[in-house]
Amino acid sequence: GQQVMQIPQYQHVQEGEDFTTYCNSSTTLSNIQWYKQRPGGHPVFLIQLVKSGEVKKQKRLTFQFGEAKKNSSLHITATQTTDVGTYFCAGRASGYALNFGKGTSLLVTP
Amino acid sequence: NAGVTQTPKFQVLKTGQSMTLQCAQDMNHEYMSWYRQDPGMGLRLIHYSVGAGITDQGEVPNGYNVSRSTTEDFPLRLLSAAPSQTSVYFCASSILAGQETQYFGPGTRLLVL
Repeated sequence: GQQVMQIPQYQHVQEGEDFTTYCNSSTTLSNIQWYKQRPGGHPVFLIQLVKSGEVKKQKRLTFQFGEAKKNSSLHITATQTTDVGTYFCAGRASGYALNFGKGTSLLVTP
Repeated sequence: NAGVTQTPKFQVLKTGQSMTLQCAQDMNHEYMSWYRQDPGMGLRLIHYSVGAGITDQGEVPNGYNVSRSTTEDFPLRLLSAAPSQTSVYFCASSILAGQETQYFGPGTRLLVL
């Protein structure tokens, strides 16, 4: 079945440093979504990418979808303590199921 | 709108007991799904539904049953709870299947002794 791999599993940065998490799929994806989960909370939708090579920005967050639609990345510039949480990618290949990666937990220390 | 609601918030079961986790949404979403979240395992899809009367299995369906008699409700049933089902369960919904934002409920924390 479809596998969505996400690295790294954990990342600890100093406030102000950049952060990147990567997502790779074993199959071509029709779309990919990114979610953020704060400690003790539920996943919250951040963005969806659909087109090959698509790049979207939300303030300090930059999302990319690979040309082959098998990989994606989330980059945060100048992290803040409010960025703490776990970031998940979720991809859909075919059918209706949306499969999540295991997530990258980000810790930001001031 | 209340969004996606889940009950109960917490539950402790003994091995072999049965229970139903409730999920409801008031956004008229066609697609609903159940995930379980375990440490280091991310979110794993249990079952999903693309509309009333239609359900399908996800990645980890064993030990769980679902039904979708209305657009609003999507209950998850544990027929005979096992310690391996100790987890946090999230229900989610979206307007369409897989193409739109999924809205998650607050989750149910289940402990099976």
